[in-house]
Amino acid sequence: IAGITQAPTSQILAAGRRMTLRCTQDMRHNAMYWYRQDLGLGLRLIHYSNTAGTTGKGEVPDGYSVSRANTDDFPLTLASAVPSQTSVYFCASSETATDTQYFGPGTRLTVL
Amino acid sequence: GQNIDQPTEMTATEGAIVQINCTYQTSGFNGLFWYQQHAGEAPTFLSYNVLDGLEEKGRFSSFLSRSKGYSYLLLKELQMKDSASYLCAVTDSNYQLIWGAGTKLIIKP
Repeated sequence: IAGITQAPTSQILAAGRRMTLRCTQDMRHNAMYWYRQDLGLGLRLIHYSNTAGTTGKGEVPDGYSVSRANTDDFPLTLASAVPSQTSVYFCASSETATDTQYFGPGTRLTVL
Repeated sequence: GQNIDQPTEMTATEGAIVQINCTYQTSGFNGLFWYQQHAGEAPTFLSYNVLDGLEEKGRFSSFLSRSKGYSYLLLKELQMKDSASYLCAVTDSNYQLIWGAGTKLIIKP
């Protein structure tokens, strides 16, 4: 692994189903982030973690949850998916909360 | 509220120079980033400005004026591969990154 990986690459999901998007980094970065990107709206922060064991809410946290059990992994869970959660989801990491963020390849999620 | 403004779309010619502007209104300022994003791909880091002035990096330069809440990204000797979206982002007083919607740059031969 080099950098940040995300899984799955894409997913079609029925409304009401539970889904976990996976994110793993091997750079030993302390901070990690989840964004969603929708056409014309730019990147919006869902949740973040400044260090393992801590998490915080971003601009659009409703309907999403995260955990940060260790440095490398930062999964994002949709407890009960809704069509408005159709988006491209990017995971990012940075050495600290004030440093440059580096992005994973993204997950394209469609909720029907 | 916090706001980052960029033009939605710009068109330029291969070999030319283009300037992409970004204005911001945020609660505090701790730095400004420019990212490049090709269609269907992740954003990649281009530049970072925290002090006023021009930062040059090869064909790309980024300028910042904190008093005016203004930055621009200057791309010289445009190549077809520069066709992409360019995202401006500002770190606010809480060290959260606030993102602009991006400028789609179309390069014509």
